[in-house]
Amino acid sequence: DAGVIQSPRHEVTEMGQEVTLRCKPISGHNSLFWYRQTMMRGLELLIYFNNNVPIDDSGMPEDRFSAKMPNASFSTLKIQPSEPRDSAVYFCASTVGGLDEQFFGPGTRLTVL
Amino acid sequence: ILNVEQSPQSLHVQEGDSTNFTCSFPSSNFYALHWYRWETAKSPEALFVMTLNGDEKKKGRISATLNTKEGYSYLYIKGSQPEDSATYLCAFSSNDYKLSFGAGTTVTVRA
Repeated sequence: DAGVIQSPRHEVTEMGQEVTLRCKPISGHNSLFWYRQTMMRGLELLIYFNNNVPIDDSGMPEDRFSAKMPNASFSTLKIQPSEPRDSAVYFCASTVGGLDEQFFGPGTRLTVL
Repeated sequence: ILNVEQSPQSLHVQEGDSTNFTCSFPSSNFYALHWYRWETAKSPEALFVMTLNGDEKKKGRISATLNTKEGYSYLYIKGSQPEDSATYLCAFSSNDYKLSFGAGTTVTVRA
């Protein structure tokens, strides 16, 4: 298995632009997580999907952030409009069941200028 | 936000020496405790998932113990090697899917 796939690996954009991050979970995994990693706050859960349904989005910082999972093999995290303080590494992780070990993707390093 | 604390924040250990560090978490509503290893420029990789008080898990030279009643877990590295250099994260869950991560302990093994 290729593991969790994320794209792009790096994204540099200007403030105000829309950013879309993509994730393909491991086949057969039922749960998908989006995390954000910053120096100040460490690894934070943004949103969690189970069987493609968003279960908890309480970690999404603002309405500028949205996430979708249209099918079992694809999820997106969108930021519109982006701001410099959104600069971080965004990780996607998947797992077979909610509390089994999570498999992390390589992350997307986002820089908003 | 659940308070998961790891100490020390960083440590240096000589190759061949053993070391250990701590994760503390709320002792109420415990469901699971995860340990992840995170190497620079890579993504976190799961080491252990622990659910029972008194659990001990081992993977090679790395082992972990769990005390849910007092709310702590220890991670041990025996005979440290340079490839053990990484940040070790613990994550706590209370009766649901959500993991709250600690800030990590960064281990540097000197040859």
